[in-house]
Amino acid sequence: DQQVKQNSPSLSVQEGRISILNCDYTNSMFDYFLWYKKYPAEGPTFLISISSIKDKNEDGRFTVFLNKSAKHLSLHIVPSQPGDSAVYFCAAITYGGSQGNLIFGKGTKLSVKP
Amino acid sequence: DAGITQSPRHKVTETGTPVTLRCHQTENHRYMYWYRQDPGHGLRLIHYSYGVKDTDKGEVSDGYSVSRSKTEDFLLTLESATSSQTSVYFCAISVSLTGASNQPQHFGDGTRLSIL
Repeated sequence: DQQVKQNSPSLSVQEGRISILNCDYTNSMFDYFLWYKKYPAEGPTFLISISSIKDKNEDGRFTVFLNKSAKHLSLHIVPSQPGDSAVYFCAAITYGGSQGNLIFGKGTKLSVKP
Repeated sequence: DAGITQSPRHKVTETGTPVTLRCHQTENHRYMYWYRQDPGHGLRLIHYSYGVKDTDKGEVSDGYSVSRSKTEDFLLTLESATSSQTSVYFCAISVSLTGASNQPQHFGDGTRLSIL
């Protein structure tokens, strides 16, 4: 049973446009969500996170939106740059839970074309 | 830079042989993790440690053991490697003192393991 779902394996966007990466979850006990970015031959890098008590968190070009009623979150990248081309993982955890309980989605490969 | 070094970075071995992967950190963080990444599966937790000699199982722990005799080193052992354990293995640390959920994990660059 997949608790964190990234249903789009890949996404292609033109440079300068908006990239929207989506993530759905099934466990209503999740209340902290994180996005990681991964380049080939490197480890994942933390990008941005959001607590369930918020519906939006912004950091520069990156914004994460959370819709708890729909159990859906999205990562917006504006404007997209070629250097953003990577695999993006959504992850979730229950509040106060051990980080041994961090659950990852399968990832979405973003390609930003010049 | 979270000061995480994984070794080896690449390894090819044969089915049935023992394999040990090492994760070394330089900042004395309490929490350390081992994940595997496979196509179509994202990252899955194998084992984690919350202190010296304190470890616990993750989602896909069968066929793996771990040891942590020093704060800075977390070892992952495949006692008898199988082809299904061909994967990319990532070590991670948490900067949280308690492993709390609101602190992100930081990852090493991975070990690509091929079992023939």
